[in-house]
Amino acid sequence: SAVISQKPSRDICQRGTSLTIQCQVDSQVTMMFWYRQQPGQSLTLIATANQGSEATYESGFVIDKFPISRPNLTFSTLTVSNMSPEDSSIYLCSVEVNYGYTFGSGTRLTVV
Amino acid sequence: AQSVTQPDIHITVSEGASLELRCNYSYGATPYLFWYVQSPGQGLQLLLKYFSGDTLVQGIKGFEAEFKRSQSSFNLRKPSVHWSDAAEYFCAVDRGDGGSQGNLIFGKGTKLSVKP
Repeated sequence: SAVISQKPSRDICQRGTSLTIQCQVDSQVTMMFWYRQQPGQSLTLIATANQGSEATYESGFVIDKFPISRPNLTFSTLTVSNMSPEDSSIYLCSVEVNYGYTFGSGTRLTVV
Repeated sequence: AQSVTQPDIHITVSEGASLELRCNYSYGATPYLFWYVQSPGQGLQLLLKYFSGDTLVQGIKGFEAEFKRSQSSFNLRKPSVHWSDAAEYFCAVDRGDGGSQGNLIFGKGTKLSVKP
């Protein structure tokens, strides 16, 4: 299975600012996925990121709020823009390799 | 639409006792099913997965799960729980229709506490 390095592991940010989360995979993957886990909740898919094309966003998530980059087959970033306290969550990236879905360790974001 | 239900929000078992965590899914085709574990402050670790074939699936850490199509269930079991098993457990189904789409729908999770 793939190994994912995600950073930062946690951050405390002021409302109105933006945070970029990075996800690095140790092998080339076609699709990368970004999830959000709100406090005490399950995981919800934000978007799917394919290299060389626009990310596909799920209902309730928009590109202006969560811009995603996918410059190559091993790397992706998710930006949480113009943050509010409601954005306080754990954000996780994920990849699929041979039907083994691997997750990064997550970024715990607190917006104050 | 696909969905996953974990009816138990919180379960407490004694160390050494057996464990069963319930998972029901709603899906039209043959589902790809997964169980993940999340320890406090940690990411998600895959315990086991089912795609086809033998309906009893063995995973890591002594866990197993049984796929029952007639009951739309994929319950996770462990014969003897260890204190280190205390964590949150998530059941998930691949969102693909008859094949992987590469992303998952998760249940709300079951928090497992272990009494000494």
